[in-house]
Amino acid sequence: AQTVTQSQPEMSVQEAETVTLSCTYDTSESDYYLFWYKQPPSRQMILVIRQEAYKQQNATENRFSVNFQKAAKSFSLKISDSQLGDAAMYFCAYRKDTGRRALTFGSGTRLQVQP
Amino acid sequence: GAVVSQHPSWVICKSGTSVKIECRSLDFQATTMFWYRQFPKQSLMLMATSNEGSKATYEQGVEKDKFLINHASLTLSTLTVTSAHPEDSSFYICSARDAQGLSPEAFFGQGTRLTVV
Repeated sequence: AQTVTQSQPEMSVQEAETVTLSCTYDTSESDYYLFWYKQPPSRQMILVIRQEAYKQQNATENRFSVNFQKAAKSFSLKISDSQLGDAAMYFCAYRKDTGRRALTFGSGTRLQVQP
Repeated sequence: GAVVSQHPSWVICKSGTSVKIECRSLDFQATTMFWYRQFPKQSLMLMATSNEGSKATYEQGVEKDKFLINHASLTLSTLTVTSAHPEDSSFYICSARDAQGLSPEAFFGQGTRLTVV
């Protein structure tokens, strides 16, 4: 079974600084997707970024980028120029490319942004 | 982006009654929808996979007779919590993927906060 581990229950960052959230996963699959979702106090799940396992290039979306290390099964999220609106719960998630396509989530990291 | 609408956003019900939660894909067709449950300060746990026109697939430990899922059309799945008890109080979230597979990510509804008193 696939598992996703987020070892940082809480992180704090100063506004305008950079922070990295960690995620590791375990799978025997070769084709899969990895995601970072943001859950603000409204609890609406918002996709931040996704990475296809077959792509070697790390995904980037504006201030958000990932460090995908397939061999190490590591998928960290870097948030640059942190803003107050980035404060939220962040979930790392995994999905197989075929078969069962539900997401498996990590336990989450609560990010606080200090003004 | 694709929109998934979940209704109601919150509901309070008496113990022993049943509650229905709807999940609709507004601008795409979804042959598969997923139902998750989230306890306070915890992660999302998959409850069941809803398949259009067939029986839902439940995760281990989820009572299928308590959490009835119906996926009668390509845009609507419903979750009915039957004979609700206070321990069923939780946040329920649905998600759906585009049946055409145009996007690999799932789109989430706004969630439903269920409180059983």
